[in-house]
Amino acid sequence: DAKTTQPPSMDCAEGRAANLPCNHSTISGNEYVYWYRQIHSQGPQYIIHGLKNNETNEMASLIITEDRKSSTLILPHATLRDTAVYYCIVRVMSGNQFYFGTGTSLTVIP
Amino acid sequence: NAGVTQTPKFQVLKTGQSMTLQCAQDMNHNSMYWYRQDPGMGLRLIYYSASEGTTDKGEVPNGYNVSRLNKREFSLRLESAAPSQTSVYFCASSEGSGRAYEQYFGPGTRLTVT
Repeated sequence: DAKTTQPPSMDCAEGRAANLPCNHSTISGNEYVYWYRQIHSQGPQYIIHGLKNNETNEMASLIITEDRKSSTLILPHATLRDTAVYYCIVRVMSGNQFYFGTGTSLTVIP
Repeated sequence: NAGVTQTPKFQVLKTGQSMTLQCAQDMNHNSMYWYRQDPGMGLRLIYYSASEGTTDKGEVPNGYNVSRLNKREFSLRLESAAPSQTSVYFCASSEGSGRAYEQYFGPGTRLTVT
């Protein structure tokens, strides 16, 4: 599976959009991009995933560049409860393993 | 619907002792996983079970054994605990493998080996 690169930490003002970037320059055509988050040592929580097209659900939006070498997770209106570590993972469709890096620690500031 | 449950929540072991971490899911998922997370690190896969009756090694299997007892339960055993196994252990399940299924995680077991 391709490796990912994320900034170690970011801040965001409450109520503003949080844009979390991820680089996956070695991604191959059959690899999905997943995002999970982990709030204060709880078990990770699934957020969203995508292959080529942009995706949106009730939690977030995922924007994948046309060359698929990078993506951005967007939390449209960040709240204090969104403070967490966010993991960007790429994984082949047939694979069983998720490789979690160290993620981005997002702090939402009041 | 409890999702994924893990027992115990906390455990302290002495070096050389053994123990079994229990995991159960009530979502009728086929695949189950065990991860460990060391301080300041991401999760690393120890073992997984793609379906009932099968188990496979992940990234860091040494020092561990697993049993897929039935479709609901997947246990992780430490035969002779070592301080290097001090970690938080997470169990997860997914509907299947081989497709873009998301994984659902339990609350974790915090293990300290002295």
